[in-house]
Amino acid sequence: TQLLEQSPQFLSIQEGENLTVYCNSSSVFSSLQWYRQEPGEGPVLLVTVVTGGEVKKLKRLTFQFGDARKDSSLHITAAQTGDTGLYLCAGRQGAQKLVFGQGTRLTINP
Amino acid sequence: NAGVTQTPKFRVLKTGQSMTLLCAQDMNHEYMYWYRQDPGMGLRLIHYSVGEGTTAKGEVPDGYNVSRLKKQNFLLGLESAAPSQTSVYFCASSYGGISNQPQHFGDGTRLSIL
Repeated sequence: TQLLEQSPQFLSIQEGENLTVYCNSSSVFSSLQWYRQEPGEGPVLLVTVVTGGEVKKLKRLTFQFGDARKDSSLHITAAQTGDTGLYLCAGRQGAQKLVFGQGTRLTINP
Repeated sequence: NAGVTQTPKFRVLKTGQSMTLLCAQDMNHEYMYWYRQDPGMGLRLIHYSVGEGTTAKGEVPDGYNVSRLKKQNFLLGLESAAPSQTSVYFCASSYGGISNQPQHFGDGTRLSIL
């Protein structure tokens, strides 16, 4: 049973479209991180959200942490081909461990 | 900046063989982690260490052992490889002690067990 469920698992859209990826859990997390992974490389941190209801923006990417700190979303505006990759959410349990979702594989077509 | 370095990058083993995956970090991080990544499963924690000489079990520790004899190195061992251990293995490190620090990942070791 996956503690963090990401949806959709696969998404293929045209360049210029908007999209939202969801990360849901029945557990409360002290913080939640979003990572992006390119083929043949390890994940790289995009953002950390800590406070319930928090919204953070990174250029065309908007991240939101749910009010109850059980879920999060990633919204991309006007997607570009360079946004293609595997997006992973990870919830923090205690000070030591992260629990990862299964990932959303995003493909942006030119 | 090297960051987190994993060796080897690729390896093919036969069932029953043993091997050690090496992870080295040059960021003076206290915490180090070993994950495996399988299709549709995300990253699952195998073992982790919160400091030199310490190790702890993660979500999927069976069939693996680890050692952290030096702060900068974290070794993952497979004593008797099984086909179910075919996966991509990632090592990560973090500053630790502060809960929102990022984990820094290596580029992975792709391991196939025949």
